Amino acid sequence: SQTIHQWPATLVQPVGSPLSLECTVEGTSNPNLYWYRQAAGRGLQLLFYSIGIDQISSEVPQNLSASRPQDRQFILSSKKLLLSDSGFYLCAWSEENLNYGYTFGSGTRLTVV
Amino acid sequence: GEDVEQSLFLSVREGDSSVINCTYTDSSSTYLYWYKQEPGAGLQLLTYIFSNMDMKQDQRLTVLLNKKDKHLSLRIADTQTGDSAIYFCAEDPTNKLIFGTGTLLAVQP
Repeated sequence: SQTIHQWPATLVQPVGSPLSLECTVEGTSNPNLYWYRQAAGRGLQLLFYSIGIDQISSEVPQNLSASRPQDRQFILSSKKLLLSDSGFYLCAWSEENLNYGYTFGSGTRLTVV
Repeated sequence: GEDVEQSLFLSVREGDSSVINCTYTDSSSTYLYWYKQEPGAGLQLLTYIFSNMDMKQDQRLTVLLNKKDKHLSLRIADTQTGDSAIYFCAEDPTNKLIFGTGTLLAVQP
């Protein structure tokens, strides 16, 4: 069966420090991968999605970047964090046709201080 | 455009039915989804409905879809305290899920 792993679960980082959040999927190949951010107030904003290695699309201009070094690995990064980067970051994967929606990781709570 | 709207809050008593409503704007979605998020956790897929269906029932959950009005609803029968969570509807017009703002369901014992 397929599983998705996301870590760390919580992170407190100072302003200006770098960031690296990792997400891996097991039990499937060539998944679609997504990064969402959930800021206070609940809404989910799609940050990046990837339909394959070296195929990453950014949905909103921001201080973050994404990379997919392997088929089932998706990394969210920043060179210098801002206070506004605080939030709950969720990784998700799906099959190509989305019949079964997305499967989400357990999330990373990032607090920038 | 892509815009999904939900009411922010719903309070019900244990044992009553809950109805969570959602409106969306893009009629090209193939499926429409309901997700549940418990405090501090990721999102869990509850159910989904194919866009050419009017209704889908899955145990205590009933999904109704009105394509003409672009209105989706989730009914939870016999609501339990464990159903307390945030519920998101979502559409997939361009092979990417677009989520609503979420409805916080509070179940009073």
